[in-house]
Amino acid sequence: AQKITQTQPGMFVQEKEAVTLDCTYDTSDPSYGLFWYKQPSSGEMIFLIYQGSYDQQNATEGRYSLNFQKARKSANLVISASQLGDSAMYFCAMRTDRGSTLGRLYFGRGTQLTVWP
Amino acid sequence: NAGVTQTPKFQVLKTGQSMTLQCAQDMNHEYMSWYRQDPGMGLRLIHYSVGAGITDQGEVPNGYNVSRSTTEDFPLRLLSAAPSQTSVYFCASSYSSRNENEQFFGPGTRLTVL
Repeated sequence: AQKITQTQPGMFVQEKEAVTLDCTYDTSDPSYGLFWYKQPSSGEMIFLIYQGSYDQQNATEGRYSLNFQKARKSANLVISASQLGDSAMYFCAMRTDRGSTLGRLYFGRGTQLTVWP
Repeated sequence: NAGVTQTPKFQVLKTGQSMTLQCAQDMNHEYMSWYRQDPGMGLRLIHYSVGAGITDQGEVPNGYNVSRSTTEDFPLRLLSAAPSQTSVYFCASSYSSRNENEQFFGPGTRLTVL
């Protein structure tokens, strides 16, 4: 079964500092994708970054980077130079494209990030 | 492009009532799905579709029906609403079921069942 674990219910970071949000996953499929989504208090789901299981390099998108450690099955999100607008709930998710779970997206329970001035 | 649209944004039902949550996308995406979000639970998959005429169950399908008669539309029907179905519902779509295709989410429908 596919499983995503986010062990940090809440994180606090000062503005302009970097923060790492943890995510571990479990799957027996060799091909999978890992995603991070941001959900601000307004409720919408915003895609941040994607990492494929066969990608050799860690994904980066602006201030977001994904620290992908395949052997440890971890996909931590790093936000550099935090801004007040980064305060939100962050979800890690995994998608596989093989077998009976084709295309399904599995979510962790989320981490609430608070950025303080 | 409007992206993924959902109606209504808010809905209050009484136990036993039925209703349909509407979802539409204008990106010609093959894959569409419905999730529910409950406090502390993340998002859980209700039903999904890999193309017109094809639907399948997700993690929490009981009490919900779906159909996919066109590529654009993927309505979610609550057959007989129960208080346990009080939740925020998200519709999402992606180009295909391949894992590199990100899912685009609608704005959500907040449903309360009394």
